[in-house]
Amino acid sequence: DAMVIQNPRYQVTQFGKPVTLSCSQTLNHNVMYWYQQKSSQAPKLLFHYYDKDFNNEADTPDNFQSRRPNTSFCFLDIRSPGLGDAAMYLCAASRGADEKLFFGSGTQLSVL
Amino acid sequence: GENVEQHPSTLSVQEGDSAVIKCTYSDSASNYFPWYKQELGKGPQLIIDIRSNVGEKKDQRIAVTLNKTAKHFSLHITETQPEDSAVYFCAASRTGSNYQLIWGAGTKLIIKP
Repeated sequence: DAMVIQNPRYQVTQFGKPVTLSCSQTLNHNVMYWYQQKSSQAPKLLFHYYDKDFNNEADTPDNFQSRRPNTSFCFLDIRSPGLGDAAMYLCAASRGADEKLFFGSGTQLSVL
Repeated sequence: GENVEQHPSTLSVQEGDSAVIKCTYSDSASNYFPWYKQELGKGPQLIIDIRSNVGEKKDQRIAVTLNKTAKHFSLHITETQPEDSAVYFCAASRTGSNYQLIWGAGTKLIIKP
């Protein structure tokens, strides 16, 4: 029944060591998103893909990159994680603009 | 800039009572208003949404009302149950970016048994 699946559930990395978070969807939706959520705050959009068309938010740090090799999969790469990058990372999918977002359960990233 | 204000930040109600969460948005061109529920350790889940051509929408115990003139929208939960305990976020569509929502800060809803 899972529709948006994120792996791993918890990720621990070292300061400055690259890390990749994974997301897959079984919905076959056109749009996939990566959000960052810090404790007690609303999710913050980092970027989204409409099919293969990549859209970066203006305030997303260069440290964050993304790849979407096909409709089902999307990856978040953090090139040099800092302590401030510790957060919950949420992947979501939607059919189109201003449509229901289906979120995964998130990956909780810790940076030591 | 555009923003969405959400109140209260915490709401504690007795089981069986009603809960109301209110949001005010600044972008008069916003036309889509979803509400998301987030339980501890999980991703947000859409519980109801409304578009600007509708004033009210209901789904069982949940309703949303929209006042475009005042730029207010509210979530109403009736007959609250323990499983309603969660953080609720309102959001509004952002003009010029169909894929970005402007999120409220969230309301922690506590249902007291």
